[in-house]
Amino acid sequence: AQSVTQLDSQVPVFEEAPVELRCNYSSSVSVYLFWYVQYPNQGLQLLLKYLSGSTLVKGINGFEAEFNKSQTSFHLRKPSVHISDTAEYFCAVRGSARQLTFGSGTQLTVLP
Amino acid sequence: EAGVAQSPRYKIIEKRQSVAFWCNPISGHATLYWYQQILGQGPKLLIQFQNNGVVDDSQLPKDRFSAERLKGVDSTLKIQPAKLEDSAVYLCASSSSRGGGPNEQFFGPGTRLTVL
Repeated sequence: AQSVTQLDSQVPVFEEAPVELRCNYSSSVSVYLFWYVQYPNQGLQLLLKYLSGSTLVKGINGFEAEFNKSQTSFHLRKPSVHISDTAEYFCAVRGSARQLTFGSGTQLTVLP
Repeated sequence: EAGVAQSPRYKIIEKRQSVAFWCNPISGHATLYWYQQILGQGPKLLIQFQNNGVVDDSQLPKDRFSAERLKGVDSTLKIQPAKLEDSAVYLCASSSSRGGGPNEQFFGPGTRLTVL
């Protein structure tokens, strides 16, 4: 079985400041890791994914994430956030069962 | 290309009533998923179809929930009878493979169900 823990349910940050959204996972097998973003009243949109290879993954909208196998983490970062980044962010893991298991989400609120 | 379509977007019913949700996946996508997203939680997979066959429905409450995907395209998720705890957003997603490869799942906008 696999699980995902998003350590912060809410992250407020000022515009143009850096942000890190934390994600830890547990799995007994090799995994694929994903970050999704959900804007109000919309479905989920893929930000980035780690499949293999380089542990630093770049995604859309200036986001990046680093896979750390020893710490079983996949934290999401952005060096400078904008008001339009305000949304809910979900970390997800896909293991041998070929299903996505999502974390409980982190609400990022960018303040002017 | 058109995205995943879902209807209705919103539904309010009373407990013990029945409700149905419809999903039209991206054209050519063989795999279709239904997720339940309760407020404050991440989406939870209810059922996964490969074409018109069920791959996994282990988390589907089969005493009240049912789903079908006739002809391997559109899908319908039904709840009968609904309970208060069924209030959630129901998300449909599709992908172009059966999941053997790390192909992206594309999500629809969801149907927000409120059970009173």
